[in-house]
Amino acid sequence: DQQVKQNSPSLSVQEGRISILNCDYTNSMFDYFLWYKKYPAEGPTFLISISSIKDKNEDGRFTVFLNKSAKHLSLHIVPSQPGDSAVYFCAATPNTGNQFYFGTGTSLTVIP
Amino acid sequence: DTGVSQDPRHKITKRGQNVTFRCDPISEHNRLYWYRQTLGQGPEFLTYFQNEAQLEKSRLLSDRFSAERPKGSFSTLEIQRTEQGDSAMYLCASSSPPQLAGGEPHEQFFGPGTRLTVL
Repeated sequence: DQQVKQNSPSLSVQEGRISILNCDYTNSMFDYFLWYKKYPAEGPTFLISISSIKDKNEDGRFTVFLNKSAKHLSLHIVPSQPGDSAVYFCAATPNTGNQFYFGTGTSLTVIP
Repeated sequence: DTGVSQDPRHKITKRGQNVTFRCDPISEHNRLYWYRQTLGQGPEFLTYFQNEAQLEKSRLLSDRFSAERPKGSFSTLEIQRTEQGDSAMYLCASSSPPQLAGGEPHEQFFGPGTRLTVL
């Protein structure tokens, strides 16, 4: 039972344009949502997160939006850069942080 | 380097053998997680430790898998009688308690992983 879903396996975007990565979840008990970035042969690295009490969190070029009623979140990268090319994972956890659920990832390619 | 380290980075074994992996978390982190990742999938939660106590264990984890964190520092993950289906990347992550996190609550720091191949 995939509780966190990323339905787009891949995305290609021109450099300088906006990248939008989407994530859906099914469990209403999730309180915290995170995005991770992964390069080949490395472990995932934390990018940005959002608490369920917020609907937006921004950090530089990265913004995460949360729509609780739709159980949907998205990551916006503006402007996209070639170095952003990686696999992006969405993750969710209850407030305890005892267990994390990851999506299957979206491979982003930013074309120079 | 104060990041999460894992050893070995690669392990090739024959079906039926036992293997053990080690994870050294960031020293001040009391939370430690093990994940398994296969090709085209995201990390799949296996188990969670808070200090030396194993507080969560995935129901997907068979009894051939066991994890320990005896002194609340490093952790080991053992797989007994390995099967070809165990071939995967095994990831370890650590974090601070949310209320003490200097960064974002629940931010996990991942190690580079141990790639297991079962022949």
